[in-house]
Amino acid sequence: ILNVEQSPQSLHVQEGDSTNFTCSFPSSNFYALHWYRWETAKSPEALFVMTLNGDEKKKGRISATLNTKEGYSYLYIKGSQPEDSATYLCAFSTGNQFYFGTGTSLTVIP
Amino acid sequence: DVKVTQSSRYLVKRTGEKVFLECVQDMDHENMFWYRQDPGLGLRLIYFSYDVKMKEKGDIPEGYSVSREKKERFSLILESASTNQTSMYLCASSFQMIETGPYGYTFGSGTRLTVV
Repeated sequence: ILNVEQSPQSLHVQEGDSTNFTCSFPSSNFYALHWYRWETAKSPEALFVMTLNGDEKKKGRISATLNTKEGYSYLYIKGSQPEDSATYLCAFSTGNQFYFGTGTSLTVIP
Repeated sequence: DVKVTQSSRYLVKRTGEKVFLECVQDMDHENMFWYRQDPGLGLRLIYFSYDVKMKEKGDIPEGYSVSREKKERFSLILESASTNQTSMYLCASSFQMIETGPYGYTFGSGTRLTVV
């Protein structure tokens, strides 16, 4: 079992604040790194998939970066809104299998 | 809209019962997966399947079995439910990643199972 760690485990921010969280993964056997957003009572929704060292992806106020050499990815949310409240999961892929982190639970307080 | 559909959102079962959790996908995906999610432990893989009638054990297969008789359907079976199987169960599907690139999973919305 490969170890994928996410930090922090949970986070409470005020509306309008910017925030970021981390996903750490093994630097060997890397194929892709995925980020998902999982809102309560819904399916996890794919945010980004990144494959190359130095990749940066952006979707609205959310962006992500990837460092495969040191084994980490950052997810940034600019100007957090209450609708951003969710659990954010990262998944490390070797090509054959995904290994999920435990998630970061974000609560945005209006 | 493409979907992975899990048959029940909430289930309550008694200890010792045989429990079936059903998952159906309409995307012609080869791969299907069953995970359970518990607080502080993240998503843990129970079983997966790369093709019809094929199944592979994941990280925590004990107490579970699966069935994949058709490409679109992947069933998780709890042979004799126990209280430590109370959890959120997520089904997912995907294309074959090596052949078609780094596609991610499409998830169902989960089944919260309580065993009493």
